[in-house]
Amino acid sequence: QKEVEQDPGPLSVPEGAIVSLNCTYSNSAFQYFMWYRQYSRKGPELLMYTYSSGNKEDGRFTAQVDKSSKYISLFIRDSQPSDSATYLCAMSTGNQFYFGTGTSLTVIP
Amino acid sequence: DAGVIQSPRHEVTEMGQEVTLRCKPISGHDYLFWYRQTMMRGLELLIYFNNNVPIDDSGMPEDRFSAKMPNASFSTLKIQPSEPRDSAVYFCASTFSGLLGTQYFGPGTRLLVL
Repeated sequence: QKEVEQDPGPLSVPEGAIVSLNCTYSNSAFQYFMWYRQYSRKGPELLMYTYSSGNKEDGRFTAQVDKSSKYISLFIRDSQPSDSATYLCAMSTGNQFYFGTGTSLTVIP
Repeated sequence: DAGVIQSPRHEVTEMGQEVTLRCKPISGHDYLFWYRQTMMRGLELLIYFNNNVPIDDSGMPEDRFSAKMPNASFSTLKIQPSEPRDSAVYFCASTFSGLLGTQYFGPGTRLLVL
């Protein structure tokens, strides 16, 4: 079983839609949760970072962590064509990192 | 700052050849990470350095892979001998905020081993 599971998609939505991206994990030692965005042929860039269970909001983006279910989500409101990218979840115990395989998102104008 | 710099951007080589990937981290960053990305396995951490010292190389797949960081501004990842299954995009990333700080990724090196 992989440490982190992420649906690869692809996911295609119309502009303005709400997007939900999800990851599950098996290691209860994970304490830090991140979402990276990766545009085509570019390196990943950090989008959101959370430590505890609950929600964290940054503009149109909301990261949600449910440690009891070992489940994290990223919500994108009012999605824009510029949001078209691959989104990778990442998790850390503090000295080990694991990334999901990424979900490819296309927002259609 | 120019960001993390990687070279070459693309590399095509034949099986059995030695491949050397290079990385220049952002000035002032004391952590450097090497990753490999494939469709099947996603982004995998291979090794990371702190203050030029390798801290965790448990992600290095085989003895064919080696990494060095002779100084704070340069690191190499070497594959010798290369195999077709090493074909992937290799990323270097750096941070100054410790293990949980924002990692800044380079543009990657696309390696194809024929």
